Amino acid sequence: QLQLQESGPGLVKPSETLSLTCTVSGGSISSSSYYWGWIRQPPGKGLEWIGSIYYSGSTYYNPSLKSRVTISVDTSKNQFSLKLSSVTAADTAVYYCARASSSTQDAFDIWGQGTMVTVSS
Amino acid sequence: EIVMTQSPATLSVSPGERATLSCRASQSVSSNLAWYQQKPGQAPRLLIYGASTRATGIPARFSGSGSGTEFTLTISSLQSEDFAVYYCQQYNNWPPSWTFGQGTKVEIK
Repeated sequence: QLQLQESGPGLVKPSETLSLTCTVSGGSISSSSYYWGWIRQPPGKGLEWIGSIYYSGSTYYNPSLKSRVTISVDTSKNQFSLKLSSVTAADTAVYYCARASSSTQDAFDIWGQGTMVTVSS
Repeated sequence: EIVMTQSPATLSVSPGERATLSCRASQSVSSNLAWYQQKPGQAPRLLIYGASTRATGIPARFSGSGSGTEFTLTISSLQSEDFAVYYCQQYNNWPPSWTFGQGTKVEIK
């Protein structure tokens, strides 16, 4: 059964770069049937799509975050990663990685458990 | 950019009653609409995709309808485990993008 697991620092200083990795287990990240995405949720608020990547490396970003976001994939490690630069307190959130599958019309059918990232000095 | 608007923000329902949640898109999304359920401290769970297809393992009391700009999630008879926050989400084919609604909280009346 496919599982996703986020990892990375739980505390990031303002103006620095947030870096997270999502490890895919129980299946291959190198499939033409999936996009791999990052979604975040500030405390007490709703979900916000950050961006997605295809196994080929093609990336798609939320326009509101595009200038600060980089998503990359490492097929040899079955991982994909998120970098968000110049963070502020507004970037404090639970960050989820998720899979969007063609079999569910590209809805996010499998999610990681999420990791809380706090931006604070 | 497509904006998804959910209503109401909070829905108070008694166990066993029907709940009807609405989601409106600022422009047509065809049937590229999904619904998710999220409970406190948990990741969202996919309920419905393609506007009306239940995801694997989702009980039949959950149903989705609509196309274009107006969508509905109906829970036919609310069970205790259904009290949660529900999000709609659209998927745009090209360039690929995903947008979530702001959520509807279903609470016990």
